[in-house]
Amino acid sequence: QVQLQESGPGLVKPSETLSLTCTVSGGSLNSYYWSWIRQPPGKGPEWIGYVYYTGSSNSNPSLKSRVTMSVDTSRNQFSLKLSSMTATDTALYYCARGSILDYWGQGILVTVSS
Amino acid sequence: EIVLTQSPATLSLSPGERATLSCRASQSVSSYLAWYQQKPGQAPRLLIYDASKRTTGLPARFSGSESGTDFTLTISSLEPEDFAVYYCQQRSNWPYTFGQGTKVEIK
Repeated sequence: QVQLQESGPGLVKPSETLSLTCTVSGGSLNSYYWSWIRQPPGKGPEWIGYVYYTGSSNSNPSLKSRVTMSVDTSRNQFSLKLSSMTATDTALYYCARGSILDYWGQGILVTVSS
Repeated sequence: EIVLTQSPATLSLSPGERATLSCRASQSVSSYLAWYQQKPGQAPRLLIYDASKRTTGLPARFSGSESGTDFTLTISSLEPEDFAVYYCQQRSNWPYTFGQGTKVEIK
């Protein structure tokens, strides 16, 4: 059974860069896209971007200049960096598999506050 | 960006009743539409993908259909565990997008 687990800070200061890692267990990164999704409190999800196991990636144009994604196949992990954080970036951040999101992490609440 | 409009925002029904949830796309998404169920404090759970394909183990009471840019999730007879928020999502055009959700609540 594939399992995903997000890790990173729960609190980020305005203007700082958020760094999150997703660790995949029970399966390989190979041959899949790996996605980052966020969900502001009480709202619907938003796709941040996805990274292929080869390292190629694509991010939402609404966030594109702020997003960096990478993979580490040796550790079975993929990562997200989101720069210039503001209060509007406060959300539950999820990692998930593919473009049909069949496996999800439990999510990590990231609050942007000084 | 493709906008997915879900209706109604809230559906108030009793257990045993039929639920019909709609998702309309602002342009063609082919059949690349999925449905997710989300309960409080949980990640969304994939139910249906490619408009009508059910995930392994999904109860038969859940079904998906499409007509052009209109998509429907039907729950034939609501069970207590089905009361939740449901989202549609398209993967036809980047950025992939979600609808704003339909909450199915107990009447």
